[in-house]
Amino acid sequence: EAGVAQSPRYKIIEKRQSVAFWCNPISGHATLYWYQQILGQGPKLLIQFQNNGVVDDSQLPKDRFSAERLKGVDSTLKIQPAKLEDSAVYLCASSPGGDADTQYFGPGTRLTVL
Amino acid sequence: GQNIDQPTEMTATEGAIVQINCTYQTSGFNGLFWYQQHAGEAPTFLSYNVLDGLEEKGRFSSFLSRSKGYSYLLLKELQMKDSASYLCAVMDSNYQLIWGAGTKLIIKP
Repeated sequence: EAGVAQSPRYKIIEKRQSVAFWCNPISGHATLYWYQQILGQGPKLLIQFQNNGVVDDSQLPKDRFSAERLKGVDSTLKIQPAKLEDSAVYLCASSPGGDADTQYFGPGTRLTVL
Repeated sequence: GQNIDQPTEMTATEGAIVQINCTYQTSGFNGLFWYQQHAGEAPTFLSYNVLDGLEEKGRFSSFLSRSKGYSYLLLKELQMKDSASYLCAVMDSNYQLIWGAGTKLIIKP
């Protein structure tokens, strides 16, 4: 069974530029999560989708971050404009869809904002 | 507020046993997860505890005491490949994962 796929793996941009990340969850997984992980910290949930609906986006900086999961499968996370403090690893995870399901993570995208 | 505490870093010797502790204060409890994260890689699932007691899975065991808000991950017969960060995460009453900052485990020969 294929795992969670993410691209790109690495991205370097200058501040005020825009960037987009893509995630393809495990086949059949209804729930998709985007996390931000700053070096030395645990993951911070940005947004959670159940199929193509948003369950929780309370920690998403909506003035600059946006995410969508139009067909309930793939998802994209966008940052526009990027700030220096956005430098982090962006992790996508998926789970089957039950409340206490285990989350399975993709390899992440390491973003460096200069 | 919600809080997960675990040691920042631990060092152990190859072949030995190490116990990584995690204490938590959360709004509700729907289970505790341990993940392993090698440097530059994604977290991978290790264990899930929702009832008190010890769950054993090969060289790794995880213990939970809900009344004490406490868990530990026990790693036996340590190998060099066990050098990684170990993340404790608690699922709260809204089924959201609250993450600790992770414990960096360094294994020495």
